[in-house]
Amino acid sequence: SYVLTQPPSVSVAPGQTARITCGGNNIGSKSVHWYQQRPGQAPVLVVYDDTDRPSGIPERFSGSNSGNTATLTISRVEAGDEADYYCQVWDSGSDHPGVFGGGTKLTVL
Amino acid sequence: QVQLQQSGPGLVKPSQTLSLTCAISGDSVSSTSAAWNWIRQSPSRGLEWLGRTYYRSKWYNHYAVSVKGRITINPDTSKNQFSLQLDSVTPEDTAVYYCARVKQLAESYFDYWGQGTLVTVSS
Repeated sequence: SYVLTQPPSVSVAPGQTARITCGGNNIGSKSVHWYQQRPGQAPVLVVYDDTDRPSGIPERFSGSNSGNTATLTISRVEAGDEADYYCQVWDSGSDHPGVFGGGTKLTVL
Repeated sequence: QVQLQQSGPGLVKPSQTLSLTCAISGDSVSSTSAAWNWIRQSPSRGLEWLGRTYYRSKWYNHYAVSVKGRITINPDTSKNQFSLQLDSVTPEDTAVYYCARVKQLAESYFDYWGQGTLVTVSS
């Protein structure tokens, strides 16, 4: 089945830019979605279809996807952005089509 | 605004059946565009998609191979909800279970989630 690889942790100072990567074989050919999950809460969609933002998600959240790496970029990081972030793709035709990355803990220093 | 409200027991004995329900407001389980999913999360397995149900002139179900044979997802049109049954549970099935919507099958992201239910498998 398809595997998505994320770094376990990323740390950034307030006001700086955080980049969280998601690696997968030719992931650039797939649509990648990103979720934010705060402790004790359900995941929240922050970027879908590589680059689009749902209504209500700040413009500070953006995404890109090319080759074997997709990236979630959070600009002007705030303390409230501290959370776990997960990438996700749909691997059609697979025995396990709904695939999530292992998650990245974003720490705001 | 779509809301998904989960209900069901938080403790299940080994070898028994886990049963959860997800009540939908703001959309219909019989929608001909959406799909209704169950996802679980545990420290050992991370986020794991379990299966989905959707209606396109008839009902369809798709299940992850890891739980196939043990899982059933059923729609209940009279109550606008859908359910998860997982048979023969073991402690490895201990997880937080979420229901979630995919707005359109052509898309593949989960735009609304239930609040989550921690299910512990223990005697």
